[in-house]
Amino acid sequence: KQEVTQIPAALSVPEGENLVLNCSFTDSAIYNLQWFRQDPGKGLTSLLLIQSSQREQTSGRLNASLDKSSGRSTLYIAASQPGDSATYLCAVKLGSYIPTFGRGTSLIVHP
Amino acid sequence: DGGITQSPKYLFRKEGQNVTLSCEQNLNHDAMYWYRQDPGQGLRLIYYSQIVNDFQKGDIAEGYSVSREKKESFPLTVTSAQKNPTAFYLCATNLDTEAFFGQGTRLTVV
Repeated sequence: KQEVTQIPAALSVPEGENLVLNCSFTDSAIYNLQWFRQDPGKGLTSLLLIQSSQREQTSGRLNASLDKSSGRSTLYIAASQPGDSATYLCAVKLGSYIPTFGRGTSLIVHP
Repeated sequence: DGGITQSPKYLFRKEGQNVTLSCEQNLNHDAMYWYRQDPGQGLRLIYYSQIVNDFQKGDIAEGYSVSREKKESFPLTVTSAQKNPTAFYLCATNLDTEAFFGQGTRLTVV
């Protein structure tokens, strides 16, 4: 069974820092990997979707990379802002199976 | 705009009551999912439906029931058999590609 781990569980940084959030998975035969953002008391919003054949995806200040051989994905946030404060979750999908979610990294960016 | 609507946003349940959470989508997606989220936990799958009139149990289906009579709607009933229903419930569609989530329903037992 696929296991997805996100480290760190929580992170607090000053505004302007570049950040790296990690997502590791145990089965490298993935179909895709998706990063989400969740604000308190809200649903999940999709940030980036990386297909198995891709190495990275970029959207604005966000860059997600995928290394299947090492079972890792990283979400890079450039020049962090207080508005980036949220919980970030990754979800890993194997073939036709339902995606497995990590527990998330809770990020606080303070002014 | 296309999206997923969950209602109500907050729901209170008395002991022994059944309550139903609504999930409606206008994205024309075939697959719909229900998740439960507890503090410090990941998302846990309750039920999912890949086509109208068909649904499958997820990892924690006990004490819950669903129906899928229309493509747009996938209501979740929390029955009295669910002993610890207080949680945040999320409905989602299209998990095969780019996933869409509703804004959630927070259920509290009083």
